[in-house]
Amino acid sequence: GAGVSQSPSNKVTEKGKDVELRCDPISGHTALYWYRQRLGQGLEFLIYFQGNSAPDKSGLPSDRFSAERTGESVSTLTIQRTQQEDSAVYLCASSLRDGTYEQYFGPGTRLTVT
Amino acid sequence: GESVGLHLPTLSVQEGDNSIINCAYSNSASDYFIWYKQESGKGPQFIIDIRSNMDKRQGQRVTVLLNKTVKHLSLQIAATQPGDSAVYFCADQTGANNLFFGTGTRLTVIP
Repeated sequence: GAGVSQSPSNKVTEKGKDVELRCDPISGHTALYWYRQRLGQGLEFLIYFQGNSAPDKSGLPSDRFSAERTGESVSTLTIQRTQQEDSAVYLCASSLRDGTYEQYFGPGTRLTVT
Repeated sequence: GESVGLHLPTLSVQEGDNSIINCAYSNSASDYFIWYKQESGKGPQFIIDIRSNMDKRQGQRVTVLLNKTVKHLSLQIAATQPGDSAVYFCADQTGANNLFFGTGTRLTVIP
C-alpha cells in the first residue's frame, strides 16, 4: 500500500517568511511524528500526535514552530518567521499504536532558508 | 539526560565482509530498540527491532545484539553488499514515550 508522503519535497524560502509542510500518514495509523534532521546529524524529535489525545509538543524548539493534525489523517508543520538555522530536512513518520512501535518514515521535506 | 550515541561515525568494509555497527544508550529504563537505515535523500527505513527482554534477534542478513549490562546495542550485517551503504541509526524508546535517535554511522561498502 501507499507509504507516508510529504510535500513539498524541497522548499526554498527567504528568512522571515512562513512555511507550511504537509504529511500524509499511512491510512489507519493513529500515531504521527515530526522530526528535524540537520545535515549530517541524527533525528531530532519535534512533535507527536496520537489519536485524539493532546499532542506531545515537547520537542518543538521555539514558539515559531507549530503543528496540526486533522483527526487521524493529514498533518501540517508550520514554521513562522523562518531563520537560517531552520534549514534542515523535516521528516514525518506514522505508526500503528497497537503495541508495535515501528515508525514508517516519509521521504522528508528539505527546507532551505536563504 | 537521554542520549543514544554511536562509537564510530563512519565505517568502511569490503564487499562480502561482515559489518558491525555499535550503539550506546544511557537510559537503563529503555525497553525497546530499533535500527534504521537511511539512504541518501530518503527517509529512514526500519531494519530490525529488539525488546529489552531479549538479547539477540536475527533478521535477513542482520542480527541485533543487546547488552543491557553495559547498555550497548549492535547491528551485525552479514556478507555486506554495496546496497548496504547508508547511514544507520539506532534509537531507543521507554514505554509509550518517543524514540530517541543517535547521530548515525555512515557505512561505506568497498566493492
